[in-house]
Amino acid sequence: AQKITQTQPGMFVQEKEAVTLDCTYDTSDQSYGLFWYKQPSSGEMIFLIYQGSYDEQNATEGRYSLNFQKARKSANLVISASQLGDSAMYFCAMREGFSGGYQKVTFGIGTKLQVIP
Amino acid sequence: EAQVTQNPRYLITVTGKKLTVTCSQNMNHEYMSWYRQDPGLGLRQIYYSMNVEVTDKGDVPEGYKVSRKEKRNFPLILESPSPNQTSLYFCASSSGVNTEAFFGQGTRLTVV
Repeated sequence: AQKITQTQPGMFVQEKEAVTLDCTYDTSDQSYGLFWYKQPSSGEMIFLIYQGSYDEQNATEGRYSLNFQKARKSANLVISASQLGDSAMYFCAMREGFSGGYQKVTFGIGTKLQVIP
Repeated sequence: EAQVTQNPRYLITVTGKKLTVTCSQNMNHEYMSWYRQDPGLGLRQIYYSMNVEVTDKGDVPEGYKVSRKEKRNFPLILESPSPNQTSLYFCASSSGVNTEAFFGQGTRLTVV
């Protein structure tokens, strides 16, 4: 089974609108972390937001928020007030193994977001 | 400036010729990882290291070696590169299990 599933290969959003990028995950660990990264066309990986499995509140970082639904094993990224500079590839990732003293990281295949003026 | 530095940024090599991609971080991070990125597959973890002399396999370790003799450096070694190792490689480091990873700029490797 896929550990991280991103079902939207591509998304379009109108500038200034909000957009939700989907991510579901699969793990048997009780302690894990979920991350979102942005990769613009220039290629660098940019950290956006982090959610720990024990965090009760959804994480927020500026215009980014993570809609964490633990029972459904989903960690969707919400970008509010989209900007042209948000056009990029977005990756959801999970880090497991905290309690076991190791650190496996799995990435999804990504969602390409295009912001339309 | 806090950063992860990979070298080289671009490399074209021939099948079977041993190569090393270097990775260095200046943030005193304990955790370091190598990933490869291929179209349609996202990033896949090759190897990771929890600390000096502590390394372990990720999801796609075949054909790669790593070493962690010093905290700041985590080189990726391809003993006998093959064309299926043509990819974009990223090194990353982080200070803890629940902290963000800082990525290097990437190394685009072509094996002919």
